[in-house]
Amino acid sequence: GQQVMQIPQYQHVQEGEDFTTYCNSSTTLSNIQWYKQRPGGHPVFLIQLVKSGEVKKQKRLTFQFGEAKKNSSLHITATQTTDVGTYFCADNTNAGKSTFGDGTTLTVKP
Amino acid sequence: DGGITQSPKYLFRKEGQNVTLSCEQNLNHDAMYWYRQDPGQGLRLIYYSQIVNDFQKGDIAEGYSVSREKKESFPLTVTSAQKNPTAFYLCASSPRDSRQKRAFFGQGTRLTVV
Repeated sequence: GQQVMQIPQYQHVQEGEDFTTYCNSSTTLSNIQWYKQRPGGHPVFLIQLVKSGEVKKQKRLTFQFGEAKKNSSLHITATQTTDVGTYFCADNTNAGKSTFGDGTTLTVKP
Repeated sequence: DGGITQSPKYLFRKEGQNVTLSCEQNLNHDAMYWYRQDPGQGLRLIYYSQIVNDFQKGDIAEGYSVSREKKESFPLTVTSAQKNPTAFYLCASSPRDSRQKRAFFGQGTRLTVV
């Protein structure tokens, strides 16, 4: 079935450093969603990208959707300890059921 | 997310026993989902339902069963046939006919089978 691959699996950064996670698919996606899961918590929706080449920003977070709609990225500028957690991309191209990537777990050293 | 409730938060069961996890939503969403999450891993879809009285198998349905008799409720039964049931179970809902079809997640149930 449809799969989305996320890299890296883990990322450790010093507070203030930037962070990027990438999501890749072998097939064209109708849209891509990003979620954040804090340690011990549940995934919370961050954003949805629909258009080819779309870029959206939320404060220090920048989300991009590739021109071919096969990849996406989430970039965090100047990480803070509140950014820790696992970031998932998700594709719901198929019949309304989302397929999640395995996530990138971010740890931030103060 | 508010509006979707899973209970209990922690659940312990003996091996060989069936157990049912509750999921209720008051968001008037048509679609509901069950995911399983193992430590350090992503979300794997167990079952989903797009409408009342209808549901579909996800990627890892073996050893699980569901029902969707009411729009607001989508209970998951973990049967004794599930080889490795200890995991974190997440229920989610979403509007069916919406461009912004984001998933709203419950707080999750952490099931431990001993």
